Amino acid sequence: QITLKESGPTLVKPTQTLTLTCTFSGFSLTTNGVAVGWIRQPPGRALEWLGVIYWDDDKRYSPSLRSRLTITKDTSKNQVVLTMTNMDPVDTATYYCAHRRVGLVGAFTWFDPWGQGTLVTVSS
Amino acid sequence: DIQMTQSPSSLSASVGDGVSITCRASQSIGSYLNWYQQKPGKAPKVLIYAASSLQGGVPSRFSGSGSGTDFTLTISSLQPEDFASYYCQQSSTTPYTFGQGTKLEIK
Repeated sequence: QITLKESGPTLVKPTQTLTLTCTFSGFSLTTNGVAVGWIRQPPGRALEWLGVIYWDDDKRYSPSLRSRLTITKDTSKNQVVLTMTNMDPVDTATYYCAHRRVGLVGAFTWFDPWGQGTLVTVSS
Repeated sequence: DIQMTQSPSSLSASVGDGVSITCRASQSIGSYLNWYQQKPGKAPKVLIYAASSLQGGVPSRFSGSGSGTDFTLTISSLQPEDFASYYCQQSSTTPYTFGQGTKLEIK
């Protein structure tokens, strides 16, 4: 059974750096094809894809946030870490990490399952 | 970025009704389209992947269709637990963008 759980601060001040940890079980980020993604959702608004890290340490980021985002992994701890610099009140959101599944045929991918999410509020 | 546009943004329906939600991509994405359901205060759950493949454990009243730029999620006979928000997501090209969501409410 695959599970993921996000952890980190619930409140950060503007201009500070946010660091969130996704701790997972049931899979290994050293296995070919495996990936973990980050998605966020401002209160009452839509989901926003932030980025993904792959088993081979390749990473992809949202272009609009690339300059502020870093995603890393610690395979020994089964953790993925998201770092976002220069936080602003508009970054207030629930942040999710999710396991990326790959179809048996083709290169179809989707997120399943997701962590429970963690609400981060940016306020002075 | 590929833009994903869902319609309608909100929808009211009754238990037993059939409903459809559409998702349009700003460029062709083949069948690289997923559908998620999200209930208040909960994380999203995948319903459909690769445009029409039903995720294991998802009731057969959910179905997906389409390819290229136009996609549809259909719920054949609404159950009380289906009233939630629904999001499409393209997985053709990063960033793997989501639609703005459709909120399905009880009439």
